Amino acid sequence: DTAVSQTPKYLVTQMGNDKSIKCEQNLGHDTMYWYKQDSKKFLKIMFSYNNKELIINETVPNRFSPKSPDKAHLNLHINSLELGDSAVYFCASSQPGLAGGPYQETQYFGPGTRLLVL
Amino acid sequence: ILNVEQSPQSLHVQEGDSTNFTCSFPSSNFYALHWYRWETAKSPEALFVMTLNGDEKKKGRISATLNTKEGYSYLYIKGSQPEDSATYLCAFLGGSYIPTFGRGTSLIVHP
Repeated sequence: DTAVSQTPKYLVTQMGNDKSIKCEQNLGHDTMYWYKQDSKKFLKIMFSYNNKELIINETVPNRFSPKSPDKAHLNLHINSLELGDSAVYFCASSQPGLAGGPYQETQYFGPGTRLLVL
Repeated sequence: ILNVEQSPQSLHVQEGDSTNFTCSFPSSNFYALHWYRWETAKSPEALFVMTLNGDEKKKGRISATLNTKEGYSYLYIKGSQPEDSATYLCAFLGGSYIPTFGRGTSLIVHP
């Protein structure tokens, strides 16, 4: 059983298109995240949701919109894709509070979605 | 912008060698430090969560220490094996609770 799953695994699309990436976790965690791994392999947080509520929103273009229909899902919709959006996007989840604080818990990462914008 | 540095950037060792690498982070507003192991074409897997100054954690041949006052954590691998080859990432969580990742140390263990 995959703990954190993402679909699709690969996404090749044209500039200007709108696309979505889906993430699901079956760990019962309250908190979910989206990360972008840039061309230099640097992992940077984009968004975080706790129990369907947005709690972290880093400096990300408005073209990126996260949606959390329930606490097990956090989808990422990207409008008007640009060449610079090409990257690997990782979803993650964690359960806050077990170690005494909201973000001390380890994160469980999905397998990543490799997005290529042509 | 928080500065989380990892050194060295890459490391080649022989099977059986012991090795260690460093994660440096801001010494103020410390909340937690995470270590992750990231194999090529896979996703990062958690190794340790460290929260208290002086913490030492161990998992098999891998251990980590934490010094929040001077802002560094060491990861040690005893008797490296080829399967230890991976990128080791640290992530610093400060007062904002937003995890800031280092760029990782890429470890290659030669048989």
